[in-house]
Amino acid sequence: EVQLVESGGGSVQPGGSLRLSCAASGFTFSNYWMNWVRQSPGKGLEWLTNIKQDGSDKYYVDSVKGRFTISRDNAKNSLYLQMNSLRVEDTAVYYCVRKTSMVGDFFDYWGQGTLVTVSS
Amino acid sequence: EVVMTQSPATLSVSPGERATLSCRASQSVGSKLAWYQQKPGQGPRLLIYGTSTRATDIPARFSGSGSGTEFTLTISSLQSEDFAVYYCQQYNNWPWTFGQGTKVEIK
Repeated sequence: EVQLVESGGGSVQPGGSLRLSCAASGFTFSNYWMNWVRQSPGKGLEWLTNIKQDGSDKYYVDSVKGRFTISRDNAKNSLYLQMNSLRVEDTAVYYCVRKTSMVGDFFDYWGQGTLVTVSS
Repeated sequence: EVVMTQSPATLSVSPGERATLSCRASQSVGSKLAWYQQKPGQGPRLLIYGTSTRATDIPARFSGSGSGTEFTLTISSLQSEDFAVYYCQQYNNWPWTFGQGTKVEIK
């Protein structure tokens, strides 16, 4: 059974940092592109970033470029999101998401999410 | 970026009835459109991809149609487990974008 379990969320002040982790199991992690998607009441679901199987390619949406960094450790079946210079508008539930192995950038498995709250 | 607009925001339906959900793209996305179902406290679940192909283990009562900028998700006979929020997502133009969701509630 595919499982994606996020951790590392919490409360932080504006300008602060957090590192999210995602533990993957039930599939060969190193074979898949992985993503982070967030969900907030104001903006709904927002795709943020993805990383290629070997970590050689990474893409970011403009709203987080330069502040967030995606990475992975295939030996540990883990995905990470380093979030710096956090803003109030980054408050959201953050999901670890697997891209399908088929052609096309849609997402076949999602974690339960971890809540990040940015507030003074 | 491609803006995805879903309607209605809320759909009240009785069990056993048909539900029709709409998704409109601000520019053509071809057939690269997916639908997801989300229940409270859970991450979204893939229902449909490529506009009309059901994902693994998705019941046949879920069907998708459309192309270009207009898409529809139909649930032919609503079961109790189908009351949830549904999102569309385009994956034709980067960055990938989602609609704001349609909540299907019990009438």
